[in-house]
Amino acid sequence: DVKVTQSSRYLVKRTGEKVFLECVQDMDHENMFWYRQDPGLGLRLIYFSYDVKMKEKGDIPEGYSVSREKKERFSLILESASTNQTSMYLCASSLGQTTPGNTIYFGEGSWLTVV
Amino acid sequence: QKEVEQDPGPLSVPEGAIVSLNCTYSNSAFQYFMWYRQYSRKGPELLMYTYSSGNKEDGRFTAQVDKSSKYISLFIRDSQPSDSATYLCAIGWGDKIIFGKGTRLHILP
Repeated sequence: DVKVTQSSRYLVKRTGEKVFLECVQDMDHENMFWYRQDPGLGLRLIYFSYDVKMKEKGDIPEGYSVSREKKERFSLILESASTNQTSMYLCASSLGQTTPGNTIYFGEGSWLTVV
Repeated sequence: QKEVEQDPGPLSVPEGAIVSLNCTYSNSAFQYFMWYRQYSRKGPELLMYTYSSGNKEDGRFTAQVDKSSKYISLFIRDSQPSDSATYLCAIGWGDKIIFGKGTRLHILP
């Protein structure tokens, strides 16, 4: 079974703090994603990566950055956390671009509260 | 028109009933279709995945795709309280996947 592990499930951070959310997948997937999920807004793509050291902006990249130094690990960084970044963050992974039907597998989610 | 539309619910049905969850989509280029189940405060988990028009069955779950109408459905037979969750449809082509916003389902004991 695919396993996507998000190291922090619940975090409370102060406004202005730098926040790191870590994600590791164990299935040698090429693609990794960061989404945020908010009531009424559904899943919104923040950033994704097709390969090590590659990153692409999603629909809502403002206020976020990412790092992918190793294939299995994809980190989301909030440079200066703000209260409107309070949300559930979901990491996901899928097979490579050339594989038809890139089913996405999700982690358990990280609940971030910024106070 | 949004690419994928899904009624947010909530949908409440008695235990044992057949549940029907639906999504419509606008882009005929979509090639594959998925349903995810998400329990409260958990990540979505893949339930069903299909490429083609028609029905795909897995236990109590049936995924139905009608490409001519751009309409997909998930049916749950003999619904159980443990089926209470949010169900998200997801539709894709190539490496692009679009998610519906999810339908909240409550199965009443």
